[in-house]
Amino acid sequence: TQLLEQSPQFLSIQEGENLTVYCNSSSVFSSLQWYRQEPGEGPVLLVTVVTGGEVKKLKRLTFQFGDARKDSSLHITAAQPGDTGLYLCAALYSSASKIIFGSGTRLSIRP
Amino acid sequence: DAGITQSPRHKVTETGTPVTLRCHQTENHRYMYWYRQDPGHGLRLIHYSYGVKDTDKGEVSDGYSVSRSKTEDFLLTLESATSSQTSVYFCATTPGQGTEAFFGQGTRLTVV
Repeated sequence: TQLLEQSPQFLSIQEGENLTVYCNSSSVFSSLQWYRQEPGEGPVLLVTVVTGGEVKKLKRLTFQFGDARKDSSLHITAAQPGDTGLYLCAALYSSASKIIFGSGTRLSIRP
Repeated sequence: DAGITQSPRHKVTETGTPVTLRCHQTENHRYMYWYRQDPGHGLRLIHYSYGVKDTDKGEVSDGYSVSRSKTEDFLLTLESATSSQTSVYFCATTPGQGTEAFFGQGTRLTVV
């Protein structure tokens, strides 16, 4: 059973548009991470958010952790073809050492 | 890079045969994980280890076993491979709880 739901599953937009990807769960996380994966490679960490309500920015990417620490969002401003990839959220639970990943959002940016 | 090597990188095996995948790390990270990745499912946790000889089950552990006899190696065994275990398998390591996970390049396993 997947504990983390990501939406949308697929997203194809034009270069220059904005987009938001969501990650939701019924459980409280101790922290949440966002990864990006390119074909044939393992995921690479983009950001870790720890505090409820926290907002972090990484150039054109803005990450937000929900106040109740059950959800997160990734917003990309002025998307570029280089943003294409699979975006994965990952939850870390305080009760265990395991890292649970969401189902992923496959993003395609058309030039 | 955290120096994570998965072997083999590709394997084709027959239904019913045992298969062992190896994950080797050179970073002395305490935690190690095995995931499988299938279209539409993101990464699903199979087993993980929080120290030498300390392992626990993940979400999809049926049909899989693991062993960690030393810090640097984490082995995943498919006891009797089935076609449903055709997948890409990723190993990951972290130095501590809540820290960045570093991934290997993946092993593409096909069970025919």
